[in-house]
Amino acid sequence: NAGVTQTPKFQVLKTGQSMTLQCAQDMNHEYMSWYRQDPGMGLRLIHYSVGAGITDQGEVPNGYNVSRSTTEDFPLRLLSAAPSQTSVYFCASSDRQGVYTEAFFGQGTRLTVV
Amino acid sequence: DQQVKQNSPSLSVQEGRISILNCDYTNSMFDYFLWYKKYPAEGPTFLISISSIKDKNEDGRFTVFLNKSAKHLSLHIVPSQPGDSAVYFCAASAETSGSRLTFGEGTQLTVNP
Repeated sequence: NAGVTQTPKFQVLKTGQSMTLQCAQDMNHEYMSWYRQDPGMGLRLIHYSVGAGITDQGEVPNGYNVSRSTTEDFPLRLLSAAPSQTSVYFCASSDRQGVYTEAFFGQGTRLTVV
Repeated sequence: DQQVKQNSPSLSVQEGRISILNCDYTNSMFDYFLWYKKYPAEGPTFLISISSIKDKNEDGRFTVFLNKSAKHLSLHIVPSQPGDSAVYFCAASAETSGSRLTFGEGTQLTVNP
């Protein structure tokens, strides 16, 4: 079972460049989300989606865009990369049918902006 | 405003002893709490959870305790094993916010052989 798949695993960007972090899940989960992990700050929610066509902002949405055209995919777009976006990014999915359910995470994308 | 806090960045214990990881929260709307374990270069993996209607949940070597009046939860690992060495994140969610999780900063557990 693939679960949640993120690509790429590593990326180096120059300031001002744009890119898309890919996330796909094969569990037919309704709920998908993006987090960033920074030292000493845990995981912070960037954007989330409760189903295809529905997205909303999390705690730290500035500088990022998302869309959800299918149940399986939830890409995260960096519009104009900044050094402050250097982080490890995790995509997660969960079955929103059960509110009290755990999220499954991808392996992460380590992004460095120079 | 850090709604979920893990005040100990690191914890070191001897193999076979008990590991106790602590977590405090401030949002009284939180009604579901989870612990995740994370190894380097991997995503977090779910470990154990507890609903606010309970004060204890046990799964093998792992037990989570919830003290709602103190807004405090703890994860006990008995006995600790070297393979338990990882970063442990506490997370919380509220029914009103669906599946949104709020995470603590994490605690690095090192179990020494």
